[in-house]
Amino acid sequence: DSGVTQTPKHLITATGQRVTLRCSPRSGDLSVYWYQQSLDQGLQFLIQYYNGEERAKGNILERFSAQQFPDLHSELNLSSLELGDSALYFCASSVGVGGLETQYFGPGTRLLVL
Amino acid sequence: DQQVKQNSPSLSVQEGRISILNCDYTNSMFDYFLWYKKYPAEGPTFLISISSIKDKNEDGRFTVFLNKSAKHLSLHIVPSQPGDSAVYFCAARGDNNNDMRFGAGTRLTVKP
Repeated sequence: DSGVTQTPKHLITATGQRVTLRCSPRSGDLSVYWYQQSLDQGLQFLIQYYNGEERAKGNILERFSAQQFPDLHSELNLSSLELGDSALYFCASSVGVGGLETQYFGPGTRLLVL
Repeated sequence: DQQVKQNSPSLSVQEGRISILNCDYTNSMFDYFLWYKKYPAEGPTFLISISSIKDKNEDGRFTVFLNKSAKHLSLHIVPSQPGDSAVYFCAARGDNNNDMRFGAGTRLTVKP
């Protein structure tokens, strides 16, 4: 158990809909990262927050947005969903932003768009 | 733009033998390289890392080798155990923790 929790574990929705994925980092971790893993692909970095502020953006679509709240939990919002958005979405956390710090991953949310 | 590549999608090894997983990268700005292990229905778990100032890092049965000139790293598992069967991801990043790039993963199967 990494200490990172993600809800829900599974989500099935229809095209055009909007969903919210939730992540609670490990106690004491200030950084939260979101990743997308599509079928047979590596993890694609989406976005990072540090202590409530956006820190870095990766391959995140404009239809997607995220935020980190004062209690440090984070939400990833996916809107106008398309079939291709079906994937595993992972959240990770770390204490800070230093290069040597380990990112701890949650179990992921499996999103299926029908 | 795949800056980190794992060209072998799968590898099968007999228990007790050595497993060698390979990874290539293209971005010379990467400073840290990491290996993660992933079991089904779980998130990736950090395994071992190496800084670009080193060429080898060892932790028990796991050793990571880095060849900067070839932009290549490898993970050696000796001896391999059935419990090592998982998907292994290679990852790389610059000197901050932003934008870590992952390879597509190699599925290791260790046969008893």
